[in-house]
Amino acid sequence: EVVMTQSPATLSVSLGETVTLSCVSSDAIGTRVAWYQQKPGQAPRLLIQAASTRATGIPARFSGSGSGTDFTLTVSNLQSEDFAVYFCQQYNDWPPGYTFGQGTKLEIK
Amino acid sequence: QVQLQESGPGLVKPSETLSLTCTVSGASISSYYWTWVRQPPGKGLEYIGYIYYDGSSNFNPSLKSRVSMSVDTSKNQVSLKMTSVTAADTAVYFCARLWALNWFDPWGQGTLVTVSS
Repeated sequence: EVVMTQSPATLSVSLGETVTLSCVSSDAIGTRVAWYQQKPGQAPRLLIQAASTRATGIPARFSGSGSGTDFTLTVSNLQSEDFAVYFCQQYNDWPPGYTFGQGTKLEIK
Repeated sequence: QVQLQESGPGLVKPSETLSLTCTVSGASISSYYWTWVRQPPGKGLEYIGYIYYDGSSNFNPSLKSRVSMSVDTSKNQVSLKMTSVTAADTAVYFCARLWALNWFDPWGQGTLVTVSS
């Protein structure tokens, strides 16, 4: 099973800042990573697929990068609605064994 | 716009069977893979399994012995059953479309299932 490790667990940031979230996989997985945003009491929302492709309707201030084992999600010019928990997910395992990182919480400083 | 809505009992007794239904609107259930994911309170996300309209499926090895899924194309619904539940199965259960066996999009709002006597 591919283990996804996210860091840091919590990030305190201010409005307007740019932040970078990290996700490291235990095995090389190419670019088979997705990122999700989850707000309290809500379902996760797909932000990024294939490591760097924004999902439909996602603002350009969200960007993803990486390949192999190291992946990042960058959020530029943080808005109030961006404070949430962010999860990475791999879809490289076969038979499929989709796994998620434990999440990074963005909170207002 | 594809929408998913989970439904089912919010309270299940230990050792009994958890049964949930996901009703899909805006898309044909026969055109995609459908999946269940759960999230224990305050914790991360765990993949449970997926199913296709023809019955082909895949389950998380850690849950495989207790989980089954089915599809009702006439009602555009996907169902989840989990047997012999314990308190460790208490979680919010989400259904989602599994896009090309890759990522999950969109998701239902989720339903909290508590296992308690």
